[in-house]
Amino acid sequence: NAGVTQTPKFRVLKTGQSMTLLCAQDMNHEYMYWYRQDPGMGLRLIHYSVGEGTTAKGEVPDGYNVSRLKKQNFLLGLESAAPSQTSVYFCASSYTLDRAGNQPQHFGDGTRLSIL
Amino acid sequence: ILNVEQSPQSLHVQEGDSTNFTCSFPSSNFYALHWYRWETAKSPEALFVMTLNGDEKKKGRISATLNTKEGYSYLYIKGSQPEDSATYLCALTTGTASKLTFGTGTRLQVTL
Repeated sequence: NAGVTQTPKFRVLKTGQSMTLLCAQDMNHEYMYWYRQDPGMGLRLIHYSVGEGTTAKGEVPDGYNVSRLKKQNFLLGLESAAPSQTSVYFCASSYTLDRAGNQPQHFGDGTRLSIL
Repeated sequence: ILNVEQSPQSLHVQEGDSTNFTCSFPSSNFYALHWYRWETAKSPEALFVMTLNGDEKKKGRISATLNTKEGYSYLYIKGSQPEDSATYLCALTTGTASKLTFGTGTRLQVTL
């Protein structure tokens, strides 16, 4: 019973390198989200998706791109990594009966990313 | 951008103490208030989702209340145990695509 799985768990990049973080969920959830967690700040929404083939910007989308080609996967890409993107990244998914927020989100274990 | 505030930032109690902390939020456009428990090196785990003014929810020794008119929620832990040590997050949604705005959390440490 995997739930939400994030890969990789850790990565160190050099400034300017690119990489993709993968999030996979096996709960058949429609909604998926990418957050970043920085010291002293709450989880901040980067991008989200309300279904296969759809994506939308969250609170802090600059420098990131996402894709949701399959319902179970949500990819977060950094095209040209910057030190300001050093953070812990969390993926989450949720079931929805409507477009409202009355269902809990299920989180992955996070990806710790360092940009040198 | 919604402003969700949690207090205190951190709390240190002894085993057996009861404790509570606060989540404050703008009362306009409220749809749901979430509470999550986040242990170090693990992922946040949902405790409660509350939608109605006056809602009270309980899970074991943990309970929560909601006042949407004045914009606050309380989380209570009765008889704290060391395993309750974690960061407790609250998050608000106005209902659009279930997007959550999180507070910065209350970090609870329970010692013997």
